[in-house]
Amino acid sequence: DQQVKQNSPSLSVQEGRISILNCDYTNSMFDYFLWYKKYPAEGPTFLISISSIKDKNEDGRFTVFLNKSAKHLSLHIVPSQPGDSAVYFCAASAVSGNTGKLIFGQGTTLQVKP
Amino acid sequence: EAQVTQNPRYLITVTGKKLTVTCSQNMNHEYMSWYRQDPGLGLRQIYYSMNVEVTDKGDVPEGYKVSRKEKRNFPLILESPSPNQTSLYFCASSSGNGYTFGSGTRLTVV
Repeated sequence: DQQVKQNSPSLSVQEGRISILNCDYTNSMFDYFLWYKKYPAEGPTFLISISSIKDKNEDGRFTVFLNKSAKHLSLHIVPSQPGDSAVYFCAASAVSGNTGKLIFGQGTTLQVKP
Repeated sequence: EAQVTQNPRYLITVTGKKLTVTCSQNMNHEYMSWYRQDPGLGLRQIYYSMNVEVTDKGDVPEGYKVSRKEKRNFPLILESPSPNQTSLYFCASSSGNGYTFGSGTRLTVV
């Protein structure tokens, strides 16, 4: 039972345009959400997070939106750059993030074309 | 430099031969965890630890053991590896808000 789902395995966008990566979750107890970025031959690196008390969090070119009623979150990258090409994972946890149990989605491979 | 170090980076072994993948962190983090990454399945949590001597199962614990005798170390033990444990493994540590990951261990069981 996949509690965190990324239904798009891949996404291709042109440099300078917006990239939108989507994530759905099923467990209403999740209250802290994160996005990670992963390059080949490296471990995932933290990108941005959002608590369930917010519906938006912004950090430079990266913005995460949370729609609790739809159990949906999205990551917007504006403008997209070729260096953003990587696999992006969303992740979710319960109990205000203060837990070791962190559930990941399947990942979406983003390709940004020059 | 703050980091999570896991060894080895690559390992090929035979079915049934016990092995240990080591993991160490230098950030004094309470939480540590092991994940495996498989195509189409993303990152799946094997075990995690909330502190010394406190561990709990993740989503795919079968065939694995862990121990947390010291805060900085969290080894992953495969008592009798099987081919379905061929995967890319990541160790991670956290102070409570998201994990910092190691560089990965690619394990092949033949």
